[in-house]
Amino acid sequence: DVKVTQSSRYLVKRTGEKVFLECVQDMDHENMFWYRQDPGLGLRLIYFSYDVKMKEKGDIPEGYSVSREKKERFSLILESASTNQTSMYLCASSFLPAYEQYFGPGTRLTVT
Amino acid sequence: AQTVTQSQPEMSVQEAETVTLSCTYDTSESDYYLFWYKQPPSRQMILVIRQEAYKQQNATENRFSVNFQKAAKSFSLKISDSQLGDAAMYFCAFLSTGNQFYFGTGTSLTVIP
Repeated sequence: DVKVTQSSRYLVKRTGEKVFLECVQDMDHENMFWYRQDPGLGLRLIYFSYDVKMKEKGDIPEGYSVSREKKERFSLILESASTNQTSMYLCASSFLPAYEQYFGPGTRLTVT
Repeated sequence: AQTVTQSQPEMSVQEAETVTLSCTYDTSESDYYLFWYKQPPSRQMILVIRQEAYKQQNATENRFSVNFQKAAKSFSLKISDSQLGDAAMYFCAFLSTGNQFYFGTGTSLTVIP
């Protein structure tokens, strides 16, 4: 079974802090994705990566950056957390973009 | 930008009955993919069904089937013989040729015993 794990289920950070969200997949997938999920807004793509050190902006990249130094790991970075970044963050991976995405359990981030 | 619209925030269905969740999308592309994902309460999102836009035949997966109307830009999900385990949030998603994913706002499905 494909497994996508995220470093934390719940995280509380203060405004202005630098925040790292980690995602690891164990199926050698080329593609990895970061989404945020908000009630009434569904899922919105922040960034995706189709190879190591490669990244593409999604719909809402402002305030975020990503890092993919190894194939299995994709990190989402909030350089200076703000309260409007309080959300559920979902990581996903897939062999190809048009194939099934496998999602992690999510990280619920609260910025106070 | 593409948009995906799910006009039913909540739906309910009696166990063993059939329910249809609607999804419309807006795009100028001719080649794309459409998906339905399911997110059970406090559990991970999983793929329900996938449709390639170039295929005229509607995709089916056991009790789940889609009605894909390309000209109308409509992609509805039909769940037959609904089970309690079908209760979840359902998201419609669109994949563009630029590998950008767009999700709808979701439909919360309640299954009534």
